[in-house]
Amino acid sequence: GQNIDQPTEMTATEGAIVQINCTYQTSGFNGLFWYQQHAGEAPTFLSYNVLDGLEEKGRFSSFLSRSKGYSYLLLKELQMKDSASYLCAAFTGGGNKLTFGTGTQLKVEL
Amino acid sequence: ETGVTQTPRHLVMGMTNKKSLKCEQHLGHNAMYWYKQSAKKPLELMFVYNFKEQTENNSVPSRFSPECPNSSHLFLHLHTLQPEDSALYLCASSPARRGGPNEQFFGPGTRLTVL
Repeated sequence: GQNIDQPTEMTATEGAIVQINCTYQTSGFNGLFWYQQHAGEAPTFLSYNVLDGLEEKGRFSSFLSRSKGYSYLLLKELQMKDSASYLCAAFTGGGNKLTFGTGTQLKVEL
Repeated sequence: ETGVTQTPRHLVMGMTNKKSLKCEQHLGHNAMYWYKQSAKKPLELMFVYNFKEQTENNSVPSRFSPECPNSSHLFLHLHTLQPEDSALYLCASSPARRGGPNEQFFGPGTRLTVL
């Protein structure tokens, strides 16, 4: 079966750096997505990794290790507006199927 | 309108009612999706349509009936639902390129409450 694990909650301080980890066990893995979801809103795309390594987009970076079934999302210079749920999702199979984790609720404090 | 829109945003219905959720995308995509999001649970994929053809039904009960009349519109027809079906129902769309991965764009969702 498909299994995605990520921490339920994390708390960090404004201006700091936080790393949200995600491990996956899936068949037919083709890539790893990260989405951000504010309460009551739609998930919005942050990044995806297909190959091993680090992808950087401004304050957000995402890393993938296919051999270890592991990814992380790194958020730098945290802002209060970064308080949200961060969803890890594995792209599997030859079609368009995304399998999501339960999400990590990040709280940014002063 | 741009992106992915969903109507209604909120819906309260009884177990004997029949209602429909509507999704529309203005992104020129050819794949559309229905997801269910319940508290403390992962987003659950329900249905996938590629070029108007259903390509995935994730063991969804028959009280949920999808319809995709064209690549821009997707409906979810609801009848004789149960209280445990109360959740946020999200629609998404993406390109339908083979070999992906294809980024999915989500609508704002319909918050459904079944009494």
